Amino acid sequence: GAVVSQHPSWVICKSGTSVKIECRSLDFQATTMFWYRQFPKQSLMLMATSNEGSKATYEQGVEKDKFLINHASLTLSTLTVTSAHPEDSSFYICSATGGPGNQPQHFGDGTRLSIL
Amino acid sequence: AQSVAQPEDQVNVAEGNPLTVKCTYSVSGNPYLFWYVQYPNRGLQFLLKYITGDNLVKGSYGFEAEFNKSQTSFHLKKPSALVSDSALYFCAVRDWGDSNYQLIWGAGTKLIIKP
Repeated sequence: GAVVSQHPSWVICKSGTSVKIECRSLDFQATTMFWYRQFPKQSLMLMATSNEGSKATYEQGVEKDKFLINHASLTLSTLTVTSAHPEDSSFYICSATGGPGNQPQHFGDGTRLSIL
Repeated sequence: AQSVAQPEDQVNVAEGNPLTVKCTYSVSGNPYLFWYVQYPNRGLQFLLKYITGDNLVKGSYGFEAEFNKSQTSFHLKKPSALVSDSALYFCAVRDWGDSNYQLIWGAGTKLIIKP
């Protein structure tokens, strides 16, 4: 149980393109979803926290207009990287939890984004 | 401030030997503690958690971790390492008193098991 599906797994696109990444909880209701960015050989950097039906809470330094997050249902959250540039190239990972706070986050397999 | 420290960037162990991956934490209240494993180009997989109760927690793939309140530690252990255990391991903590579900993450420890 507790499966999170993330698509696509790999994206290569030209600079200026917008890219949408989907994160779905397949067998549970995800009241809260998280979006992380991971640089090579580094830990996870939390970008934003989203709760179903409300606006995402972004971490300091993360551009809201660059990284659009929508959590429209209890099973789906999307991250759109708008007008992507090479510096946005990274590994993006989503996670989801149905709560309460002592429950683990369940992770998608990540999306490798390469902007040319 | 809450924090997690994984003091070793890398741990090398021979196959069949016991392994330990260290984690210490700092929270203002009581901790929820988690261990995750990450294989290359993959997301994180949940291994085990400590919430309350027994200090020794057993998890997936034969891993266990011991909660030590006085030393504020939550080291990950396995009695006999496998080559397939080679991966990146993350420790994470959350304070019971926090109203959100965010985790504070350690920097990760690369575990290398040599045949």
